[in-house]
Amino acid sequence: RKEVEQDPGPFNVPEGATVAFNCTYSNSASQSFFWYRQDCRKEPKLLMSVYSSGNEDGRFTAQLNRASQYISLLIRDSKLSDSATYLCVVYKAAGNKLTFGGGTRVLVKP
Amino acid sequence: GAVVSQHPSRVICKSGTSVKIECRSLDFQATTMFWYRQFPKQSLMLMATSNEGSKATYEQGVEKDKFLINHASLTLSTLTVTSAHPEDSSFYICSAWERGFYNEQFFGPGTRLTVL
Repeated sequence: RKEVEQDPGPFNVPEGATVAFNCTYSNSASQSFFWYRQDCRKEPKLLMSVYSSGNEDGRFTAQLNRASQYISLLIRDSKLSDSATYLCVVYKAAGNKLTFGGGTRVLVKP
Repeated sequence: GAVVSQHPSRVICKSGTSVKIECRSLDFQATTMFWYRQFPKQSLMLMATSNEGSKATYEQGVEKDKFLINHASLTLSTLTVTSAHPEDSSFYICSAWERGFYNEQFFGPGTRLTVL
């Protein structure tokens, strides 16, 4: 089993709609959680950190469920520019490194 | 946020040659840098952790004699792919650690290596 798992998609989303997807992680010792966005042939860029209390940044909402070991990302009022691959990333202090999920591809269409 | 650069952005080489990729933190000092590899339609896989002034720590399955890492200063790490083969063709991305509360890593723009 992979340490961080994501539905690869693609999620085909009409412009203006809401899309949500999850990521599961297997290591309960994981400490910090992030969503990164990666455009085709580009480097990943931090979208947002994920906190237990849930956090929102504009149209993006992230949630962490430690009991069930998953995190989620919800995008409201999808824009064409939201089309990208969204990477779920988990940090463990032991080893001091990030582990990336395989990414969820989102395609927003007019 | 902090800026990380990589050079070159794209390189094409013949099989058997060696290729050096540079990763620089431009506006901060990075005691730790990371090297990742990404094959098409796959996620980033950590290859090694590069610590300034000491030997790199390689992930399982990554040949340290093939992928030479040098972190000679607080702003520069280099990855040398020795005796490159077509199967080494990939997108190589570095990141640098800027210590902060949320432990964010900043990524370079990546180097696309094609071995003919």
